[in-house]
Amino acid sequence: GQNIDQPTEMTATEGAIVQINCTYQTSGFNGLFWYQQHAGEAPTFLSYNVLDGLEEKGRFSSFLSRSKGYSYLLLKELQMKDSASYLCAVRRGGATNKLIFGTGTLLAVQP
Amino acid sequence: EAGVAQSPRYKIIEKRQSVAFWCNPISGHATLYWYQQILGQGPKLLIQFQNNGVVDDSQLPKDRFSAERLKGVDSTLKIQPAKLEDSAVYLCASSSSRAQGSPLHFGNGTRLTVT
Repeated sequence: GQNIDQPTEMTATEGAIVQINCTYQTSGFNGLFWYQQHAGEAPTFLSYNVLDGLEEKGRFSSFLSRSKGYSYLLLKELQMKDSASYLCAVRRGGATNKLIFGTGTLLAVQP
Repeated sequence: EAGVAQSPRYKIIEKRQSVAFWCNPISGHATLYWYQQILGQGPKLLIQFQNNGVVDDSQLPKDRFSAERLKGVDSTLKIQPAKLEDSAVYLCASSSSRAQGSPLHFGNGTRLTVT
């Protein structure tokens, strides 16, 4: 089976730092993705982790601990345009290598 | 590089009617996915193609949903007959391969409303 958990909503202040957590349980783990989705738009790729540790990409960083089934997305120097839903997705290995999404975390950035 | 193209952008139908969605993936992308996203939820995989073959359709309601990718490029997803609970955004995505690090690139989706 597969289970991905994220907080439903978060609020943060412009210029601050926010951490969005994701925990997962899956068989055949083969990587974890973070996507950003603005209302009414398509999800866009942010980051990918397959090994333990931190991946940094500008204002966004993503961390993975495979042993704990845990990841987080860190957003620094928040801007109003960062208000969006953030989707954690786990790639399940095997013949299909399918990508399973969590329900997403709706982040509201306030002035 | 042109992105994933989908049409129509919006569709409103009555229950029991049929509807079809079209997707053109990024050129050269062998893997194509159809996801269903209900409001407030994450995308749910319906079907995954590798070239023109189906590799996963375990969550496709096959009594009413069908999909094809005859020439390994464009794809169509059909619902017949539609139910109220099919109201959702249907997202098409493509990736260059099924390799673990290969990200999915999504189209803007088709928003379906069933009344």
